[in-house]
Amino acid sequence: AQKITQTQPGMFVQEKEAVTLDCTYDTSDQSYGLFWYKQPSSGEMIFLIYQGSYDEQNATEGRYSLNFQKARKSANLVISASQLGDSAMYFCAMREAPNSGGSNYKLTFGKGTLLTVNP
Amino acid sequence: KAGVTQTPRYLIKTRGQQVTLSCSPISGHRSVSWYQQTPGQGLQFLFEYFSETQRNKGNFPGRFSGRQFSNSRSEMNVSTLELGDSALYLCASSLGGTGLTDTQYFGPGTRLTVL
Repeated sequence: AQKITQTQPGMFVQEKEAVTLDCTYDTSDQSYGLFWYKQPSSGEMIFLIYQGSYDEQNATEGRYSLNFQKARKSANLVISASQLGDSAMYFCAMREAPNSGGSNYKLTFGKGTLLTVNP
Repeated sequence: KAGVTQTPRYLIKTRGQQVTLSCSPISGHRSVSWYQQTPGQGLQFLFEYFSETQRNKGNFPGRFSGRQFSNSRSEMNVSTLELGDSALYLCASSLGGTGLTDTQYFGPGTRLTVL
């Protein structure tokens, strides 16, 4: 089973509107971290926001917020007031405890969602 | 503060050759991780280095290797290149703490094409 599932291969949103990008995850750990990254066409992955499994508040960073529903194992990214520059691939990632053969937490990525912001 | 830098940005090689990619982390970061990104497989973790030691590795064949120097700069080597090695190779650096919040910051990537 996939660790991180992003069910929306592509999303469209009008400029200045809000958009939600879905992410569900699968883990049996109680302690884990969830990250969202943005990848423009240039290729560089840009860190957006982090949510810890024990954080009681949903994370927010400027126009980005995370709708974290632990019982449903979902961590959806909400982008408010979309801008043309938000057009990019968005990746959800999870950091969890190391398995055998590793000594540090690994970061596992979903397949990504391509967001297109229309003027 | 300068970001993560990767060189070269683009590479074209032929099957059977070997290639070395370089990554310079953000100043003060001691952990460097490498990822392979392809349209079919997405982002896959290759390995992580911390204080010149491999701390974690993914499920890649032994043709893929890496190392880290005392200044935290890292290199990744792929020997006996195959067509399927064509990909964007991303390097990420972090402070290197073993906790969950150790955020990775990525470089612009090296796009490798194998002909």
